[in-house]
Amino acid sequence: GAGVSQTPSNKVTEKGKYVELRCDPISGHTALYWYRQSLGQGPEFLIYFQGTGAADDSGLPNDRFFAVRPEGSVSTLKIQRTERGDSAMYLCASSLTAGPNTEAFFGQGTRLTVV
Amino acid sequence: GEDVEQSLFLSVREGDSSVINCTYTDSSSTYLYWYKQEPGAGLQLLTYIFSNMDMKQDQRLTVLLNKKDKHLSLRIADTQTGDSAIYFCAATNSGYSTLTFGKGTMLLVSP
Repeated sequence: GAGVSQTPSNKVTEKGKYVELRCDPISGHTALYWYRQSLGQGPEFLIYFQGTGAADDSGLPNDRFFAVRPEGSVSTLKIQRTERGDSAMYLCASSLTAGPNTEAFFGQGTRLTVV
Repeated sequence: GEDVEQSLFLSVREGDSSVINCTYTDSSSTYLYWYKQEPGAGLQLLTYIFSNMDMKQDQRLTVLLNKKDKHLSLRIADTQTGDSAIYFCAATNSGYSTLTFGKGTMLLVSP
């Protein structure tokens, strides 16, 4: 596709369950970012990949959160033992390369609701 | 770490100018950005400015940077109803790889 694609667009899960959120970046983009946006807040950085490796995972809130990008393209954000506080919009972005003057293109997000 | 602050709400009449303000704390921030978010949509990059500049103009958008005061503003000339959205200010970290966002300013443009 032409843009960053995130699936599903909405996910409702029960507290304690495991969820996976998928991000398809723009083809050829080597850098991929995950952000989390709670209601009424700005996006908060979670993790950033350069190629297949996590270059910076300092934003992951705890060890229930994990992300992979095994082939340097599609990425999956995995959340174990979900809690109600995990409810948020999860945004993925990609850019051609890493760096401040390369535009990061955002997907439409996955809205996660933990009930 | 970096902290980015914005006013939460701005209301203007169509045709007026809008000015959205932002302050940041990390003096080593080198790039500062403005993003637009419309309901149900992802973030759209509007413009960015490098810290060695004090002004950047792009059509109806003017960005002013006061590096001494760590203050950034976005001026939208001839504001239209289609400009109604949430506007986020963001700054890069020292590694140039990730963004710290403010909480966003909701701009409401009335006819």
